[in-house]
Amino acid sequence: DQQVKQNSPSLSVQEGRISILNCDYTNSMFDYFLWYKKYPAEGPTFLISISSIKDKNEDGRFTVFLNKSAKHLSLHIVPSQPGDSAVYFCAASVNSGYALNFGKGTSLLVTP
Amino acid sequence: DAGVIQSPRHEVTEMGQEVTLRCKPISGHDYLFWYRQTMMRGLELLIYFNNNVPIDDSGMPEDRFSAKMPNASFSTLKIQPSEPRDSAVYFCASSPRGARANYGYTFGSGTRLTVV
Repeated sequence: DQQVKQNSPSLSVQEGRISILNCDYTNSMFDYFLWYKKYPAEGPTFLISISSIKDKNEDGRFTVFLNKSAKHLSLHIVPSQPGDSAVYFCAASVNSGYALNFGKGTSLLVTP
Repeated sequence: DAGVIQSPRHEVTEMGQEVTLRCKPISGHDYLFWYRQTMMRGLELLIYFNNNVPIDDSGMPEDRFSAKMPNASFSTLKIQPSEPRDSAVYFCASSPRGARANYGYTFGSGTRLTVV
């Protein structure tokens, strides 16, 4: 069963606008969350992370928000750029574990 | 550092043949992970090692799949016999502290396996 869910397979946004990618999780034991970005023919690369003790983490144009009560996190990209076009994976881990659970990914297309 | 190196990049094989995928982790990383990516299931964990010892292989789909890590710089994932449903992209990743590293894992570029 999928413990990390990304319900939107794809998203299209105009350059300069905000991109919002969503992720839901079912396991209340998850305490660390990450976003990865993947270009075609490459492996996923780390983008940004957040611990469950925070509700927001920001890194340049990228901000991740965590709503623990709703078991929901989101990635905001502002402003969106064509180079941001990629597949974005949400991932989560449990404090006592060492493996990441990934969602299926959301394909973001930023159009000029 | 050259990053996580996987070989081959692409593999096309006939059903029933043995397939071996290879991975060289980043030097000094104690954790090595094998993931498989498919459209249906996304990125799913197959197995991971800590200090060359398999820790959790519950994600290995069947006995046809086996993984080894004979030393800190090399791991293999073997499928014998291969089936068309094994067609997927297989990723190897390594990490100095498993998922507890702030950046999680470093992934290789993957091996695209096609079984015909």
